[in-house]
Amino acid sequence: EAGVTQFPSHSVIEKGQTVTLRCDPISGHDNLYWYRRVMGKEIKFLLHFVKESKQDESGMPNNRFLAERTGGTYSTLKVQPAELEDSGVYFCASNRGGTQYFGPGTRLLVL
Amino acid sequence: KQEVTQIPAALSVPEGENLVLNCSFTDSAIYNLQWFRQDPGKGLTSLLLIQSSQREQTSGRLNASLDKSSGRSTLYIAASQPGDSATYLCAVRDQNSNSGYALNFGKGTSLLVTP
Repeated sequence: EAGVTQFPSHSVIEKGQTVTLRCDPISGHDNLYWYRRVMGKEIKFLLHFVKESKQDESGMPNNRFLAERTGGTYSTLKVQPAELEDSGVYFCASNRGGTQYFGPGTRLLVL
Repeated sequence: KQEVTQIPAALSVPEGENLVLNCSFTDSAIYNLQWFRQDPGKGLTSLLLIQSSQREQTSGRLNASLDKSSGRSTLYIAASQPGDSATYLCAVRDQNSNSGYALNFGKGTSLLVTP
């Protein structure tokens, strides 16, 4: 069974540019989560999808972040425009209940 | 708001030693607690999940305990090996229905086991 995959693995962009991160959950997992870890801080929850619906987006930092999950399969997280403080590692996780399975993360650097 | 703290932040031990990693949380109304392992450049791997009604879970050389009332969990690693070197993360899912399924993480303990 393939695990959670994320693309790209790394992204370096300039302040003001747009970046889109993609997450492919484990097949059949209705729940999909986005988390973020910025330098020196703990991993923080961003939002939770159940199928294509946003169940909880209480962790989204501001309206520069837009997450979608069309069709209830893969999800994208767009940052527009990117700011320096958006640098960090963005993790995606999925489950059907119980343990959340995490992807390897996307390392985003905003210069 | 749930706060999760892990002590120590870093730990270096010689191979073969038994060791304990600590995790504390401020709100005891939790649904479950998980310990994860993260290797450099990799994702998180779930090691043990303890439901709020449980006191401990074991997997191989790993044993995790939970004392919900005092807001503490420990991860015990027996007979440590160099391959155990990684960052260990503690994460709590709150019982509060308003918090959904979100996990609250500590900053982790970076473990180095030297040969």
